[in-house]
Amino acid sequence: KNEVEQSPQNLTAQEGEFITINCSYSVGISALHWLQQHPGGGIVSLFMLSSGKKKHGRLIATINIQEKHSSLHITASHPRDSAVYICAVLSYNTDKLIFGTGTRLQVFP
Amino acid sequence: DAGITQSPRHKVTETGTPVTLRCHQTENHRYMYWYRQDPGHGLRLIHYSYGVKDTDKGEVSDGYSVSRSKTEDFLLTLESATSSQTSVYFCAISTQGFHGYTFGSGTRLTVV
Repeated sequence: KNEVEQSPQNLTAQEGEFITINCSYSVGISALHWLQQHPGGGIVSLFMLSSGKKKHGRLIATINIQEKHSSLHITASHPRDSAVYICAVLSYNTDKLIFGTGTRLQVFP
Repeated sequence: DAGITQSPRHKVTETGTPVTLRCHQTENHRYMYWYRQDPGHGLRLIHYSYGVKDTDKGEVSDGYSVSRSKTEDFLLTLESATSSQTSVYFCAISTQGFHGYTFGSGTRLTVV
């Protein structure tokens, strides 16, 4: 079992829909990252959080340390949000990042 | 972009040949990393550097070596490429260890 699990693996949505991507982890962490990867492109850091909630534009990231779970929400989704979203946790013990396999999101007009 | 470039962007090479990938930064960041990305796997750390001439192994370091003779450059070398090293390679830089970093655009390497 992977130490970082994302769900769903694939997600399709209509423009305007509210999107939720989930990340569960099984190790103690210092921080959690959400990353975005566009097709053929590089990887962009969206959020780093260790507690609570962060918001940037239409993106909201939350984390529940006790439940070892984080969610990434996209409000009013748009086709340009189509990308792979990756969750990564910073292991408290090893001080290394552990990455999930990503969630592929496609938003159709 | 954030001052990190990888070269080449694409490369096809034959099994058994040496290959060097370059990561160049203009940000003067202390930490540099090499990851590989493969289908079905999350990004996996190959090697990282925490300063000039200071490097350490990641979880998938076998078959790879690195060098950092200048702050701005971090080289990844496959001494004798194998088909299992076909992958997309990403370089990343940071000022705070693993707490916040910037990725390069990736190098797609195919070993035939």
